[in-house]
Amino acid sequence: QKEVEQDPGPLSVPEGAIVSLNCTYSNSAFQYFMWYRQYSRKGPELLMYTYSSGNKEDGRFTAQVDKSSKYISLFIRDSQPSDSATYLCAMHTGNTPLVFGKGTRLSVIA
Amino acid sequence: EPEVTQTPSHQVTQMGQEVILRCVPISNHLYFYWYRQILGQKVEFLVSFYNNEISEKSEIFDDQFSVERPDGSNFTLKIRSTKLEDSAMYFCASSEGGVNTEAFFGQGTRLTVV
Repeated sequence: QKEVEQDPGPLSVPEGAIVSLNCTYSNSAFQYFMWYRQYSRKGPELLMYTYSSGNKEDGRFTAQVDKSSKYISLFIRDSQPSDSATYLCAMHTGNTPLVFGKGTRLSVIA
Repeated sequence: EPEVTQTPSHQVTQMGQEVILRCVPISNHLYFYWYRQILGQKVEFLVSFYNNEISEKSEIFDDQFSVERPDGSNFTLKIRSTKLEDSAMYFCASSEGGVNTEAFFGQGTRLTVV
């Protein structure tokens, strides 16, 4: 089993839709969870950073962590064409490097 | 807003040549990292650097790779003898307080080995 699994998509939604992006992981020692947005041939841009289980909201973005299920989600409300990008989940234990998912490619159609 | 900057944005080199990729981390950050992303693959950790020494490295980071902080602002990744499979995007990142703080990435250097 891969350490971090993420459906690569592509995911295509109409403008204004709610988008749900997900990752599962196998290492129960992961405690810090991140979502990065990556535009084509650019560097990952940090969107959300959460510790342990629970929800965190920032504007149109909500990150959820369910450690019991080893499952994390990113929700995007009122999606915009400018949200079209690849979304990477990443996580670590607190004293190990980031482990990334493969990324989900999202297209928001106007 | 502070950002991590990387140069060059694109580097083409012949197999067997040495390349140096350069990064200027965010100024008050103390931890520096190199990651790479082969086209269509995951972002993979290469090395972390703190207090002028390597703190952790991955299996990818073999003897062909080295890192250096030659002065107070730059952080470099050297590949001594490039191979075709070294072709990838190389990302520098920095964080204020180690792996349990947020890492900010640069825009990347696209390395093409021919």
